[in-house]
Amino acid sequence: GESVGLHLPTLSVQEGDNSIINCAYSNSASDYFIWYKQESGKGPQFIIDIRSNMDKRQGQRVTVLLNKTVKHLSLQIAATQPGDSAVYFCAENQNELRNQFYFGTGTSLTVIP
Amino acid sequence: DSGVTQTPKHLITATGQRVTLRCSPRSGDLSVYWYQQSLDQGLQFLIQYYNGEERAKGNILERFSAQQFPDLHSELNLSSLELGDSALYFCASSRGTEAFFGQGTRLTVV
Repeated sequence: GESVGLHLPTLSVQEGDNSIINCAYSNSASDYFIWYKQESGKGPQFIIDIRSNMDKRQGQRVTVLLNKTVKHLSLQIAATQPGDSAVYFCAENQNELRNQFYFGTGTSLTVIP
Repeated sequence: DSGVTQTPKHLITATGQRVTLRCSPRSGDLSVYWYQQSLDQGLQFLIQYYNGEERAKGNILERFSAQQFPDLHSELNLSSLELGDSALYFCASSRGTEAFFGQGTRLTVV
């Protein structure tokens, strides 16, 4: 679903389906991006990263796609599991020398068993 | 376990008060970052320290200040607290491009 006001964007998927979470970043000069997963009551955990000289990077069950033309990132989760339920954030490193990470609003993923 | 330790986990205080949040980074990490996360919001970058020196400032209020000590632990000081300062405050550390986050301090201002 779409977000309004202060609420996080939400996405509900059936267990076993693939999930796609999108993120628009702000700075065309950003050269490094990370996806984080935040479970309730916990700090963000690193999932996967990608540098701006790449369009795609694959991990275990996750793939990140980068479209620099439209400043867009997506995280694809294959065969989504209940344990994937969390809030997902993309972070852009706006200055590699200083490692300033700026986070997007986040998307709340709910996996329906 | 990310290796980043934050204390306390929970803090309840009254408006107008001052609190100090503490962060111990991962061993060997020189950079420490502070973020604020309000309810159902993203993480707002507050400030970054690198080896004891302030490196970058984000949306940090003048009522807030931070420092990083010679042993690399960091403290975030929040003063003249307001109800709107209630949030989760996260510390992260890095030695390269990836930041590792602590479990956060939940601050409630009443």
